[in-house]
Amino acid sequence: KNEVEQSPQNLTAQEGEFITINCSYSVGISALHWLQQHPGGGIVSLFMLSSGKKKHGRLIATINIQEKHSSLHITASHPRDSAVYICAVEKTSYDKVIFGPGTSLSVIP
Amino acid sequence: EPEVTQTPSHQVTQMGQEVILRCVPISNHLYFYWYRQILGQKVEFLVSFYNNEISEKSEIFDDQFSVERPDGSNFTLKIRSTKLEDSAMYFCASRGTGTPLHFGNGTRLTVT
Repeated sequence: KNEVEQSPQNLTAQEGEFITINCSYSVGISALHWLQQHPGGGIVSLFMLSSGKKKHGRLIATINIQEKHSSLHITASHPRDSAVYICAVEKTSYDKVIFGPGTSLSVIP
Repeated sequence: EPEVTQTPSHQVTQMGQEVILRCVPISNHLYFYWYRQILGQKVEFLVSFYNNEISEKSEIFDDQFSVERPDGSNFTLKIRSTKLEDSAMYFCASRGTGTPLHFGNGTRLTVT
């Protein structure tokens, strides 16, 4: 069984829509990461969080430690947001980060 | 902004050959990682490195793999005898205390 699951696997949205990507995990963690992988392959860290909520621009990440669940929200989506969004968990601080399968997002003008 | 640099961006090699993938992590970072991504699959952990030694390795990281930090700046991944199934994108990452992971742009390894 995968330790990190994401839904949906694929998502197509119209420009301007509010988007939510969900992540659930089955292990105890010290931190959860949201990352973005561009079509060219590069990986960029969006958030690292261990509790509560973080916001950066149009992106918001939340985590519920008790329910082992996190969400990534994108407000006012734009075609440049098209990418794969990956949830990853860190069981022990600075230990390996276990990646989820990713959610492929396509935002259509 | 400082970044993680990986070279080469693309490496083609024949089965059985040795390859060395190179990475220059961000200078004040302490924790170093190699990950790989086979085409169409998720990113997989290979190895973590801290204080000049391996701190953890996955079952993928068998005896054909090794890592080194030879000079305090470079961080290399060596694959001794490549197999077809080693074809993948290899990502180096580094992080400092309390910081998220910073990834390089990856090396695409093609084994023929």
